[in-house]
Amino acid sequence: GEDVEQSLFLSVREGDSSVINCTYTDSSSTYLYWYKQEPGAGLQLLTYIFSNMDMKQDQRLTVLLNKKDKHLSLRIADTQTGDSAIYFCAEKGGGFKTIFGAGTRLFVKA
Amino acid sequence: ETGVTQTPRHLVMGMTNKKSLKCEQHLGHNAMYWYKQSAKKPLELMFVYSLEERVENNSVPSRFSPECPNSSHLFLHLHTLQPEDSALYLCASSQDTRQHTEAFFGQGTRLTVV
Repeated sequence: GEDVEQSLFLSVREGDSSVINCTYTDSSSTYLYWYKQEPGAGLQLLTYIFSNMDMKQDQRLTVLLNKKDKHLSLRIADTQTGDSAIYFCAEKGGGFKTIFGAGTRLFVKA
Repeated sequence: ETGVTQTPRHLVMGMTNKKSLKCEQHLGHNAMYWYKQSAKKPLELMFVYSLEERVENNSVPSRFSPECPNSSHLFLHLHTLQPEDSALYLCASSQDTRQHTEAFFGQGTRLTVV
């Protein structure tokens, strides 16, 4: 069945780059998303990538997609303490479902 | 503030109680969703409503009963819940259910079943 996997935890120092990785199984996925959840809040869409793209850059965020390996990553450059949150990878193929991973908790140490 | 409001923010209920969660959006969206977020587990899609009709029901136990009286409001009625139902329940809305439309999430209701 459809599945999205990501590691549960990442710790980086302020100013370093963070890379959060995700793998998915649905080869029919056409849109892949990264959501951010801050404490006590719902999920907020950070960025998304269409499956015919390899890379998308938006200010400090870089999304890389390897469709052959079904691997998605999110790189945050110059990570700040305000970036501490849970980051969810999600994919949407056919139908109404968006499949989410369990989320990666990012800790940024000052 | 995303435009999706959930009430209450926190709820503690006994296993024999009946309660309801409320979600409201005034973004003009046509699709609304209920998700369950448990610790260290993927976000689980529970129900999808599009144009006030339920279009997805992911094998959710009948002790959870959704209601969508209009395109701006979505309810989740709860009765005879179990302790394992304790979780953060998130509501979301989107313009429609097409693939590229962004979902806007509420802040969630933290439910504890005792």
